[in-house]
Amino acid sequence: DTGVSQNPRHKITKRGQNVTFRCDPISEHNRLYWYRQTLGQGPEFLTYFQNEAQLEKSRLLSDRFSAERPKGSFSTLEIQRTEQGDSAMYLCASNPIEGVDTGELFFGEGSRLTVL
Amino acid sequence: AQSVTQPDIHITVSEGASLELRCNYSYGATPYLFWYVQSPGQGLQLLLKYFSGDTLVQGIKGFEAEFKRSQSSFNLRKPSVHWSDAAEYFCAVRYSSASKIIFGSGTRLSIRP
Repeated sequence: DTGVSQNPRHKITKRGQNVTFRCDPISEHNRLYWYRQTLGQGPEFLTYFQNEAQLEKSRLLSDRFSAERPKGSFSTLEIQRTEQGDSAMYLCASNPIEGVDTGELFFGEGSRLTVL
Repeated sequence: AQSVTQPDIHITVSEGASLELRCNYSYGATPYLFWYVQSPGQGLQLLLKYFSGDTLVQGIKGFEAEFKRSQSSFNLRKPSVHWSDAAEYFCAVRYSSASKIIFGSGTRLSIRP
């Protein structure tokens, strides 16, 4: 396994369209996180899963955003009725639970969304 | 509120010079602390982490960081920078009562030939 994989790497869409991003974490990593990063800013937490359970969701996340991890493996992040303000890099990360959980995250290369 | 502050938006240093990037965190509990690096077109890579023990931690690529509880700081250092160190550096914190990692806004490092 070479790492966290995200698809597509770049998505251009028109305002009002729906988009979906997929994340395949490192095998056997129990936790999966979604972050959003805009230019000149650090990653902003969106949500995270432990196995298939969504344990935390940022209050900044509007109802247009939904994430799933149905079988505790890959995850999808869907944005409905996209707005120009949704343009950003969407980052996925995973980490295992083993012994003392230090929280170290392993990141994918991200999916860049451009909303026209 | 839980937060991480990186006061320097952009730093330029000469190749071969020493480097220190500043990071301060809020909240009273002892956190887990991280430094990540993001090179253009690359994913975030962990440089080093601290969660207990020796307050001076060594990381990859010759970086080190020191946890100072009295100053709520976790500054990143390198004795001699290389042109390949040019990148964006993010300090991050995870508190024991939460599972998410909070990132600072980053410091962009440029290297002067």
